[in-house]
Parts: sequence; C-alpha cells; structure tokens
Amino acid sequence: DSGVTQTPKHLITATGQRVTLRCSPRSGDLSVYWYQQSLDQGLQFLIQYYNGEERAKGNILERFSAQQFPDLHSELNLSSLELGDSALYFCASSVDTNQPQHFGDGTRLSIL
Amino acid sequence: EDQVTQSPEALRLQEGESSSLNCSYTVSGLRGLFWYRQDPGKGPEFLFTLYSAGEEKEKERLKATLTKKESFLHITAPKPEDSATYLCAVQDMYSGGGADGLTFGKGTHLIIQP
Repeated sequence: DSGVTQTPKHLITATGQRVTLRCSPRSGDLSVYWYQQSLDQGLQFLIQYYNGEERAKGNILERFSAQQFPDLHSELNLSSLELGDSALYFCASSVDTNQPQHFGDGTRLSIL
Repeated sequence: EDQVTQSPEALRLQEGESSSLNCSYTVSGLRGLFWYRQDPGKGPEFLFTLYSAGEEKEKERLKATLTKKESFLHITAPKPEDSATYLCAVQDMYSGGGADGLTFGKGTHLIIQP
C-alpha cells in the first residue's frame, strides 16, 4: 500500500460529459502529480501541484484542469470527454520535488 | 525532449534464470532515474532511485545500475512472484517550467515461469 488514495476506482460515462477524479496524497507529502496511462502512449505526465500551487504542466489538454486544496488533496477535472480520453489516470505524491513519487492504484475511465 | 527506451518489450524466463532489463535515456541533465514495478490493475510501485553514473542499488533479487546513457535492472534467480511490468523513468533537472514530472519508458513485461 503506497498510502496514496484515489477515488473512484472505475468511472464509466459518455462523450461530452464532465468527471472529477480525486486523490489523497501520502501523509506529509506536499507535491501531487497526475499521470495518464494508455496502451499506446504509456504513462504521460499531466500536471503537478506543490503545497496548493500549480508548479508545472506536462501533456495536459485544455479540457482538463486540476487543483490542490488546503488539506493537500487534489482533484483532476476532465470535461467535454472524448472516446480517446479512456485511460487509467494515476495520482502520485512525493515529500519534495526531487524525491521518489509514490503512486495510487488509479482511476479507470471508460468513455462510451 | 527527454526520451526513455526500454528493452526488451517482453521477456519470458524460467524460475531461477537470471537476466537484465535495459533502459536507455536521453535528458538535458539527469536529476534522477527511477525504477518501478507495476502489477496488473495496480499503480507503479517504487523500487529504486539512481542519481549519478556508477551508482548501484539492490533489493532482494533486484539490482539497478546506472551509466551516463543507460540503466540496467538485473534480476538474479527470479521467482514467479517477480512477474510484472518494470518501468524506467527519468527526471530532468532542466525541464521546462520547472516541471518535476517523470518521463517514462513503455516498460518491460516480465514473465517468470515455474
């Protein structure tokens, strides 16, 4: 158990909809990262928050956004969903920005 | 642009048959190289971090090594429970915008047969 909690585990929705994925980092970790894993692209970095502030963006679409709350939990919002957004979405956390990242077990998003 | 290439894509070994997985990388400046293990339906599980060429880390039957261009994950006398996908990732100290996100390879799918 990595200590990173993601909910829900599975999410099924339709094209055009909006969903919110939630992540609780390990106790004491200030940095939260979101990744997307698909069969053809592998694990892709989306966005990073550090102590409530956005720190960096990776390959994140404009339809996607995230935030980190004062209690350090984070949410990833995906809107105007397309079939291609079907993937596993992982959250990771670390004590500091150059320390190992520990991953949750992901949310599997299926777009019908 | 940072790149990570892992080989082979898949590897099937007999129990007790030692082997090595390769991770070749290209980065502007290496802050760290990370090895993870991923089981089906689970998130990546952290194994090792290597920071500089010549560094080695060991854990049970696994040993990771690092050069300036590649890293190897050596598996000695593997057991069926070592079956998993092994992922290599790099963190670039010169990432644009100060990003600390990892760049991952596509992994090596390892199967250990009893």
